[in-house]
Amino acid sequence: LAKTTQPISMDSYEGQEVNITCSHNNIATNDYITWYQQFPSQGPRFIIQGYKTKVTNEVASLFIPADRKSSTLSLPRVSLSDTAVYYCLVGPSTGGGNKLTFGTGTQLKVEL
Amino acid sequence: EPEVTQTPSHQVTQMGQEVILRCVPISNHLYFYWYRQILGQKVEFLVSFYNNEISEKSEIFDDQFSVERPDGSNFTLKIRSTKLEDSAMYFCASYTDPSGNTIYFGEGSWLTVV
Repeated sequence: LAKTTQPISMDSYEGQEVNITCSHNNIATNDYITWYQQFPSQGPRFIIQGYKTKVTNEVASLFIPADRKSSTLSLPRVSLSDTAVYYCLVGPSTGGGNKLTFGTGTQLKVEL
Repeated sequence: EPEVTQTPSHQVTQMGQEVILRCVPISNHLYFYWYRQILGQKVEFLVSFYNNEISEKSEIFDDQFSVERPDGSNFTLKIRSTKLEDSAMYFCASYTDPSGNTIYFGEGSWLTVV
């Protein structure tokens, strides 16, 4: 299973763009890259998912270079409510049943 | 947005007691998971379940744990004889199939063993 590495923490201010980069050097051919957000005492919440290049939805963008060994989650204009832990995960591979393995995540703290 | 629901949201139990945590996965999903998160720690995989059998389990998922899909809609995690170290948030998750590839998590069941 691909292991992921992210910064432990990041600080930002309201209105700023935040980019969180994750490295996943051993990503498998069929693995997707998925980002989750988790608030204290809540379940991980799906943010965005991609396989290659760029994906954008109403809350975030995900940039994946051609080699897919890293990915960057971009939150365009953060607010205080974006303070949370962000997890980058790879998998599950085609064939099903494979688990997603969580790393330590990135604690994002947004201040006024 | 699709929703995985879990009950109870919080349970306090005495050490040695049996606990059953319940989950209703999203209706067309086929793959089911239990994860747990001890306070202040990362989310840990416990078990995956597909086609009415366990696909994979972690070292944490010992003989005290079992899972079941009793009626085609619920997915349960049973802890036979709880220990203090079982105190954690337990998350159920599900997804439809490999082409879908988005795993959705429930809000969790907070278990406190005293």
